[in-house]
Amino acid sequence: GQQLNQSPQSMFIQEGEDVSMNCTSSSIFNTWLWYKQDPGEGPVLLIALYKAGELTSNGRLTAQFGITRKDSFLNISASIPSDVGIYFCAGHSNNNDMRFGAGTRLTVKP
Amino acid sequence: DGGITQSPKYLFRKEGQNVTLSCEQNLNHDAMYWYRQDPGQGLRLIYYSQIVNDFQKGDIAEGYSVSREKKESFPLTVTSAQKNPTAFYLCASSTSSHWELNEQFFGPGTRLTVL
Repeated sequence: GQQLNQSPQSMFIQEGEDVSMNCTSSSIFNTWLWYKQDPGEGPVLLIALYKAGELTSNGRLTAQFGITRKDSFLNISASIPSDVGIYFCAGHSNNNDMRFGAGTRLTVKP
Repeated sequence: DGGITQSPKYLFRKEGQNVTLSCEQNLNHDAMYWYRQDPGQGLRLIYYSQIVNDFQKGDIAEGYSVSREKKESFPLTVTSAQKNPTAFYLCASSTSSHWELNEQFFGPGTRLTVL
């Protein structure tokens, strides 16, 4: 099945900078989820979005469900070293089918 | 503490051998999933189960088998028919497979290496 298009693939930023990443799809989704994965561990759910246009925050993280229902964005403000990891988007459609992006690898330089 | 456990963390297997990966959850979730993760790729669904004694193939089920005899347990067997089994395997569960209740929670993963 078609996976989501997630970009950028990787980011190298300075501590304190803001980060933005996004996922797009040719299909409509009913739910968008954002996960963070540390090396050798399972992904941890950060934010879940259920309505087109919805903007949700979790601390320094903000995610939006695109109005077309075909995309989603994740922003991290004032990055810190522990933000390092791989961030995945996931979209869920009507047919109980969940798709994942390939991930954005974030490196934060102190 | 509620959560999902996978064991073992690391697994080594010789070519031609079957191996079973364990996944247990005490979250009272109905749905459970197995994913395979390869470097630079998104998670790919192997099998999923919406309810006890029922499971469906995902995108890459060939060479794998599962069972769901108990709500809490969803073991995955990697058979010798799987041509490229070395990967990181992730188990997940959710309240339901319906999209409204499909926040999936993941276990810590098992890294399988075929020697």
